Amino acid sequence: DAKTTQPNSMESNEEEPVHLPCNHSTISGTDYIHWYRQLPSQGPEYVIHGLTSNVNNRMASLAIAEDRKSSTLILHRATLRDAAVYYCILLTERGSGYALNFGKGTSLLVTP
Amino acid sequence: GAGVSQSPSNKVTEKGKDVELRCDPISGHTALYWYRQSLGQGLEFLIYFQGNSAPDKSGLPSDRFSAERTGGSVSTLTIQRTQQEDSAVYLCASSPYGTANYEQYFGPGTRLTVT
Repeated sequence: DAKTTQPNSMESNEEEPVHLPCNHSTISGTDYIHWYRQLPSQGPEYVIHGLTSNVNNRMASLAIAEDRKSSTLILHRATLRDAAVYYCILLTERGSGYALNFGKGTSLLVTP
Repeated sequence: GAGVSQSPSNKVTEKGKDVELRCDPISGHTALYWYRQSLGQGLEFLIYFQGNSAPDKSGLPSDRFSAERTGGSVSTLTIQRTQQEDSAVYLCASSPYGTANYEQYFGPGTRLTVT
């Protein structure tokens, strides 16, 4: 799977929007962009994914650059519960399953 | 609806003993994955099932590790002759299909401690 680059850490105030960036300059045309997060002492949690178009769900929005070499996970109003490590992962459609490969991710600190 | 469940939540065992870890995936999910996470480390892939078959066993760390899935549902991960380095949180995830366009839903994990 192609490599992603994320900042090690970010900080946000509660109730403010958070933009978590991810660079993936070697992305291929069939790679899906997935985001997961892991809260302290919990298992990973799916957040959102997309291929080319921007995506919205109840948790977040995913903005994908036109050239797909970068993407941004947007949390519209950060809460204390959003403090977690966020992982940006590229997955290639190969029809035979895939295993998530978490890099270091971005540790998000949310302050009251 | 019900999510992925795993049992036991915690398991303490003596070195050399065998352990069985169970995963109940979300009903109807055909793909099932086992991972483990050591303290402060990233996610390590162990094995993937599509239905009852395991096309990818590449992550199993040694022949002491085995897994099976029956009825396209419940899966069991067995570790024989446990070693201290097997201590970790073992996570199970299921997905509607084993492709890149579907998300994985994780269980709460089983914390295994080998003394």
